[in-house]
Amino acid sequence: NAGVTQTPKFQVLKTGQSMTLQCAQDMNHNSMYWYRQDPGMGLRLIYYSASEGTTDKGEVPNGYNVSRLNKREFSLRLESAAPSQTSVYFCATEQGSGANVLTFGAGSRLTVL
Amino acid sequence: AQSVTQPDIHITVSEGASLELRCNYSYGATPYLFWYVQSPGQGLQLLLKYFSGDTLVQGIKGFEAEFKRSQSSFNLRKPSVHWSDAAEYFCAVEGFSGGYNKLIFGAGTRLAVHP
Repeated sequence: NAGVTQTPKFQVLKTGQSMTLQCAQDMNHNSMYWYRQDPGMGLRLIYYSASEGTTDKGEVPNGYNVSRLNKREFSLRLESAAPSQTSVYFCATEQGSGANVLTFGAGSRLTVL
Repeated sequence: AQSVTQPDIHITVSEGASLELRCNYSYGATPYLFWYVQSPGQGLQLLLKYFSGDTLVQGIKGFEAEFKRSQSSFNLRKPSVHWSDAAEYFCAVEGFSGGYNKLIFGAGTRLAVHP
């Protein structure tokens, strides 16, 4: 089983460019999350989706949008990238909502110049 | 507000030595606590979790952690470290904030293992 698949693994953008990070899961989990990981700060929640058709803001949503296309897919979009968005982004899934045993993708490293 | 503190940013141990990684949390109720491990270039993998019951929990890869309510701690231990344990370790607590349950992560402890 693939589990949680993120694409792309690496991306370099110029300030102001837009891009979408894709996440797909094959575990039939209801909840999906986007985190960003920065040195010395652990993981911070950007957006989450408790179920298909619903999305909510996390701790650091500014500059991002998300779309829960269906149960399998949850995408993260940067409309106008900024250097402060240079980070490693992780998608995660959870079977229910609140059990908080997350399954993570391998991450997407984004650099904004 | 809920928070998680991992006091040690970086730890180095010799292979075969014992290991303890510290984690302190701030949470009003009985917490759900987790340890995750991240190998280089990989996502996070769950090592173990505490929800209730026995305060000493066993995880994968020979790790264990002990929940101590009086000290607000959930330290991770391993009696004999292997070179493959070199990774970054994250403690997390489930918290309710902003209208939803979420995992609050510590900043992580990077473990290096000397041969």
